[in-house]
Amino acid sequence: QITLKESGPTLVKPTQTLTLTCTFSGFSLSTSGVGVGWIRQPPGKALEWLALIYWDDDKRYSPSLKSRLTITKDTSKNQVVLTMTNMDPVDTATYYCAHTRAEWELLWNYWGQGTLVTVSS
Amino acid sequence: QSVLTQPPSVSGAPGQRVTISCTGSSSNIGAGYDVHWYQQLPGTAPKLLIYGNSNRPSGVPDRFSGSKSGTSASLAITGLQAEDEADYYCQSYDSSLSGFWVFGGGTKLTVL
Repeated sequence: QITLKESGPTLVKPTQTLTLTCTFSGFSLSTSGVGVGWIRQPPGKALEWLALIYWDDDKRYSPSLKSRLTITKDTSKNQVVLTMTNMDPVDTATYYCAHTRAEWELLWNYWGQGTLVTVSS
Repeated sequence: QSVLTQPPSVSGAPGQRVTISCTGSSSNIGAGYDVHWYQQLPGTAPKLLIYGNSNRPSGVPDRFSGSKSGTSASLAITGLQAEDEADYYCQSYDSSLSGFWVFGGGTKLTVL
């Protein structure tokens, strides 16, 4: 049974750096083809893909946010960490981490419950 | 705005059939990348509903079906039920720039 859970601050101030952790179970990020990504959803708005890290440490970033994002993994702890710098109120959103089982599928098989992050002074 | 275009809302009475369209371009759906659909029930995380244009994960009723043609895709729901009321998102991959995952703007399905 695959599960993912996001954790991190619920409130950050403008210009601060956001650090989110995705802790997962039911799969290993050392298995060929597997990846974990981050997707966000502002209140009442659509989903937006942010970043993805594969089993072999291949990293992909949204072109529009690449300069602000860093994704890393700790395979031994079954965790993936996303950092986003220079936070702004427009970054207020629910942040989801999600699992992909094969690089060629280009989809998200399982999602975490999400964590709401509010950016406000 | 989203790279993939969906109607903001659709509605139908119980038992009816509804379709949701998803229009892309030559760098995503038209380039041959598969379309996937997610269902997001109120207050919950998205769930994979259709993958690879027309395949259903285990546990998804066969009332849900998907298709793709050219630069567009469609999700069809037959025999509408009250529990189908949710937001639906299409998703594909775009090969422009360095390549990235793209979503539609979402469609709110209301069961009348």
